[in-house]
Amino acid sequence: QVQLKQWGAGLLKPSETLSLTCAVYGGSFSGYYWSWIRQPPGGGLEWIGEVSHSGSTKYNPSLKSRVTISVDTSKNQFSLKLNSMTAADTAVYHCARGFSGSPVDIWGQGTMVTVSS
Amino acid sequence: QTVVTQEPSLTVSPGGTVTLTCASSTGAVTSSHYPNWFQQKPGQAPSTLIYSTSNKHSWTPARFSGSLLGGKAALTLSGVQPEDEADYYCLLYCGDAQLWVFGGGTKLTVL
Repeated sequence: QVQLKQWGAGLLKPSETLSLTCAVYGGSFSGYYWSWIRQPPGGGLEWIGEVSHSGSTKYNPSLKSRVTISVDTSKNQFSLKLNSMTAADTAVYHCARGFSGSPVDIWGQGTMVTVSS
Repeated sequence: QTVVTQEPSLTVSPGGTVTLTCASSTGAVTSSHYPNWFQQKPGQAPSTLIYSTSNKHSWTPARFSGSLLGGKAALTLSGVQPEDEADYYCLLYCGDAQLWVFGGGTKLTVL
């Protein structure tokens, strides 16, 4: 059974860079898309972006200038970096697996990230 | 940027049928938007129900179905159970911009 386990700092100061990593256990890494999605407290879901197993990326235009999603196939891991964090970036960040037509079939457990001075 | 609109809230009686819809600000939703549907219960990560308009995952209960209806994507729950009370989100692919856009979500109450 495929599981996604994610980790990273949960408390950041304004202007710092968010760094999260998601590891894939129990399944193939190749042939899938690997995404990040966030949800502010009490709010809806927002697609941040995705990376293919070969490293090609797509990003939400609203975040594109600040976001980098990368993949490490040797470790079956992918990562999110979001710089210049502000309070508006406070959210639960989820990693996810997808395939063509289904950008998210398996979700990670989520990491609450709070930006506060 | 494309805005995806869902009903903010709906109420259904146990055993009843309800249809949730998902509209795009750019026009009719088609299969090229690859509509996806997700269920989220309080305090939990979302769960994926439907992909590419009407395809179910192995864990999707049979009472959930997806379709295109009147220019929108639709999620129909037939024989609603109390445990179906949750937030439901749709997700559309906007090919021109190569991005995915979530709807604002529908809070479904089973009463």
